Amino acid sequence: QVQLQESGPGLVEPSQTLSLTCTVSGGSISSGAHYWTWIRQRPGKGLEWIGYIYYSGSTYYTPSLKSQVTMSVDTSKNQFSLKLTSVTAADTAVYYCARESRTTNYFDYWGQGSLVTVSS
Amino acid sequence: QSALTQPASVSGSPGQSITISCTGTSSDIGSYNFVSWYQQHPGKAPKLIIYEVSQRPSGVSHRFSGSKSVNTASLTISGLQAEDEADYYCCSYAAGSTRQVFGGGTKLTVL
Repeated sequence: QVQLQESGPGLVEPSQTLSLTCTVSGGSISSGAHYWTWIRQRPGKGLEWIGYIYYSGSTYYTPSLKSQVTMSVDTSKNQFSLKLTSVTAADTAVYYCARESRTTNYFDYWGQGSLVTVSS
Repeated sequence: QSALTQPASVSGSPGQSITISCTGTSSDIGSYNFVSWYQQHPGKAPKLIIYEVSQRPSGVSHRFSGSKSVNTASLTISGLQAEDEADYYCCSYAAGSTRQVFGGGTKLTVL
């Protein structure tokens, strides 16, 4: 059974960088059949797709966040990561990592979510 | 404003059926059969319940079904149960740079 687990600071100061890591267990991040994605949910709001990284390192970011986002992958640790720069209160959200099918684009496994609050 | 439009809330009594709509455009739902639905209970991660418009993952109840007509996808839950009370989100693959778009979510209340 594939499991994903987010980790990282729960509090980030405004204008700083938000950093999260997702550890994948029960399956290889290098399988090639999946994209590894980040999705966020602002308090009381809906889901927002941030982007994905493939095991090769290729990435795709949603246009509205492209200038802030960097994703990376460490296949040796079966982990992938998210960095969001110059954060503001609007970036306060629960951040989920998820596995996306490359061919049919659904998210079948999700982490439990990591609440990140941007505040001084 | 979300790219896909869902009703903010729906309700139904136990045993009844309800349908949640998800309206997009010819650039997303209208062009692709990559529509998925997610159930989210409070404080929990979303759970995949429908993919490719109408496919159910293993372990998901047959009471959940999906369909699509032109630019609108629908999720139907039959035989409502108390445990179905949750938020439901649709998602579609989209042409262009956005790539994946979600609906704003629908809160289902089981009366």
